[in-house]
Amino acid sequence: GEDVEQSLFLSVREGDSSVINCTYTDSSSTYLYWYKQEPGAGLQLLTYIFSNMDMKQDQRLTVLLNKKDKHLSLRIADTQTGDSAIYFCAESLPAGGGNKLTFGTGTQLKVEL
Amino acid sequence: SAVISQKPSRDICQRGTSLTIQCQVDSQVTMMFWYRQQPGQSLTLIATANQGSEATYESGFVIDKFPISRPNLTFSTLTVSNMSPEDSSIYLCSVQGAPSGNTIYFGEGSWLTVV
Repeated sequence: GEDVEQSLFLSVREGDSSVINCTYTDSSSTYLYWYKQEPGAGLQLLTYIFSNMDMKQDQRLTVLLNKKDKHLSLRIADTQTGDSAIYFCAESLPAGGGNKLTFGTGTQLKVEL
Repeated sequence: SAVISQKPSRDICQRGTSLTIQCQVDSQVTMMFWYRQQPGQSLTLIATANQGSEATYESGFVIDKFPISRPNLTFSTLTVSNMSPEDSSIYLCSVQGAPSGNTIYFGEGSWLTVV
């Protein structure tokens, strides 16, 4: 079945690292995505990782994937106040020649001074 | 990355009316999808918009309530029919395929409030 879970809230101090965790259940997921949603805005694609990779780094973002445990994490280094937002992980499954996404519940990240 | 424009960006609608949301992409894409995000919730896939054929709907969504068109590789519409307050949501268009490959992008969303 398709079920993606995230913790609802995370609070960190500016300059610290943030780690947002995600678990999924469908082992046939091809890609796993991280999106950011700021208040009143749409979804911004942050990064994604292919299911046969363990890690992907992109500037301040590091994605770790443990396929055996179906666990995905997003680490944000040197977290800034502008990183305050809701972060969604999503797993993709084949659908009609493309990939449909099943989203997690979203983690609200609050960055404090 | 693909640039996705949605119209309207926001609207307040009367109960019982219908509203059509447009999604325009600046390049040809393979796949277009429509998602719904209810207040304070995550996103749920409504349907896959298929070019030249009927959309593929997810469980819980039907064509009579959410008719979808996709006349070409850059444009799609979603209609929310006979609206009720429960339809108050953000409706987001999503695209995948050339030139974005495996990346999946979202528009800014259409924020609908039904009164």
